Amino acid sequence: DAGVIQSPRHEVTEMGQEVTLRCKPISGHDYLFWYRQTMMRGLELLIYFNNNVPIDDSGMPEDRFSAKMPNASFSTLKIQPSEPRDSAVYFCASIPKGGSAEAFFGQGTRLTVV
Amino acid sequence: TQLLEQSPQFLSIQEGENLTVYCNSSSVFSSLQWYRQEPGEGPVLLVTVVTGGEVKKLKRLTFQFGDARKDSSLHITAAQPGDTGLYLCAGALNFNKFYFGSGTKLNVKP
Repeated sequence: DAGVIQSPRHEVTEMGQEVTLRCKPISGHDYLFWYRQTMMRGLELLIYFNNNVPIDDSGMPEDRFSAKMPNASFSTLKIQPSEPRDSAVYFCASIPKGGSAEAFFGQGTRLTVV
Repeated sequence: TQLLEQSPQFLSIQEGENLTVYCNSSSVFSSLQWYRQEPGEGPVLLVTVVTGGEVKKLKRLTFQFGDARKDSSLHITAAQPGDTGLYLCAGALNFNKFYFGSGTKLNVKP
């Protein structure tokens, strides 16, 4: 398996634009997590899914952020409209069935909002 | 405020030295993990500890989970330049929801 795949690796956008980040989890993993990493706040959990269903979105900063998982092999994190303070590295991670095990992280998407 | 506080934030040492990184919280965790992250990459799991007082060894790395399952430490013996990276602890409050510490950035100079 190629691991967790995120796209794009880098995204530069202007303030106010819509941004969509994509994630393909490892096949057979039924938990998917979205994290955001900044120097100031470290790695923050935004939302996680179990079997494509959002379980906990309490970490989503505000209504401008939304996440979907239409099927077991694809998830998106959307920011609309984007703001400079959203600049960060966004990671997607998946965990195998049963949970409470190793989280496999993607390489992240570095987002810069200017 | 971080649920898990790591110390020190930064550590720069010479090759061959020993070091300890700490991860502390007022919360009790069902399990705790340590990850290592290199620039431009996602974190990679080093170890998971589950039982209070548990000690695990991974070559030159020794991990300990506090008796009360609120804290943990990572000790590296005879550090090498290849150990350079960001070390993150992550605690699970419930089965699958992991909270990450702020990280310790380690630089091992040759």
